[in-house]
Amino acid sequence: TQLLEQSPQFLSIQEGENLTVYCNSSSVFSSLQWYRQEPGEGPVLLVTVVTGGEVKKLKRLTFQFGDARKDSSLHITAAQPGDTGLYLCAGLDYNQGGKLIFGQGTELSVKP
Amino acid sequence: DADVTQTPRNRITKTGKRIMLECSQTKGHDRMYWYRQDPGLGLRLIYYSFDVKDINKGEISDGYSVSRQAQAKFSLSLESAIPNQTALYFCATSDFRRAYGYTFGSGTRLTVV
Repeated sequence: TQLLEQSPQFLSIQEGENLTVYCNSSSVFSSLQWYRQEPGEGPVLLVTVVTGGEVKKLKRLTFQFGDARKDSSLHITAAQPGDTGLYLCAGLDYNQGGKLIFGQGTELSVKP
Repeated sequence: DADVTQTPRNRITKTGKRIMLECSQTKGHDRMYWYRQDPGLGLRLIYYSFDVKDINKGEISDGYSVSRQAQAKFSLSLESAIPNQTALYFCATSDFRRAYGYTFGSGTRLTVV
């Protein structure tokens, strides 16, 4: 069974601080996706990383896929209250029929 | 209109009742999924369908059934609801054009009393 471990589970920081969320597995994935979920809504896709070592930037968010395609990280620079939400990583394995395996999520709270 | 629409948004039902949650999409995606979300347990896959004639069980299908009425419609039924089925339920769609990134509906909050 493929598992994705996310850490930390909870993160409470002040506006302006930087943070990193980690997503680790012992399995290799075809790609890794990151989602953000706000209360009362469904997760929204932020980015997909496909190539080992790939780095993608989305404004203040930087996503990295590990060289071995087993892990990923999300770094937020100068966090803002609007970044508050649940961040989910999800791994895709085409050999397993193309279903996503989700991590448990990281609950981020950014206080003004 | 939302790309993936779930109805109802909220539902309270009694133990033993049959309930159906509906999902429709305008994305034109072939693949559709039903997940439940519980605090601390993340998103768990109930059923998925890769096209109208293809239905597959996920990791927690017991107590649930599904119907893929058309490419755009995928409904989830609880034949006899029980309290531990109280959860947030999400429908999602995907296809290869977005590297199988999911589009989620807004969810149905189901409470079984």
